[in-house]
Amino acid sequence: AQKITQTQPGMFVQEKEAVTLDCTYDTSDQSYGLFWYKQPSSGEMIFLIYQGSYDEQNATEGRYSLNFQKARKSANLVISASQLGDSAMYFCAMSYNRKLIWGLGTSLAVNP
Amino acid sequence: DAGVIQSPRHEVTEMGQEVTLRCKPISGHDYLFWYRQTMMRGLELLIYFNNNVPIDDSGMPEDRFSAKMPNASFSTLKIQPSEPRDSAVYFCASSPRRTSGANEQFFGPGTRLTVL
Repeated sequence: AQKITQTQPGMFVQEKEAVTLDCTYDTSDQSYGLFWYKQPSSGEMIFLIYQGSYDEQNATEGRYSLNFQKARKSANLVISASQLGDSAMYFCAMSYNRKLIWGLGTSLAVNP
Repeated sequence: DAGVIQSPRHEVTEMGQEVTLRCKPISGHDYLFWYRQTMMRGLELLIYFNNNVPIDDSGMPEDRFSAKMPNASFSTLKIQPSEPRDSAVYFCASSPRRTSGANEQFFGPGTRLTVL
């Protein structure tokens, strides 16, 4: 069965430092996609980054990069040069039959 | 371009009342999803539509919940009768039809429902 696991309920990072949010997944499919979303305290869900299972390069979007290790079934989100505005919940998700399977999220707090 | 629009943003009702949540997806998107988010259960997919047709409603909790999509620009999620355990944030999301690559979902601002 498809499953997403985020093992870090909460994380702290100092402003301007990099932080890695962990995500592992379980699937028997060969073709799938991995997504990261951000949910600030205001509540909206914001799409950050996508990695396809056949993509050879790790995805990057500005300060966000996805450390994709297919053999380990991990898709960690790396945020470089953290900013106060990065404080939010972060969700990892995997596509399955057009649906998204979601992790329970990691709460990130950026300290000044 | 306007994003996904949901109304109302907040709804407070009493147990037993009917609640209707509304969603307008992004124009041109073929897929529409309804989610429920709670602290205990996280983000749960309730139902999704493709070209206005319900494809998977296995996440709908029980018969009190129903969803419709009469046209490409409008969908409703109805709860009748509502119960306190239905209190949650309900999100609508839409997604374009792409044959490959990312099929990211674009979320609306959500409706915070409180059932007293």
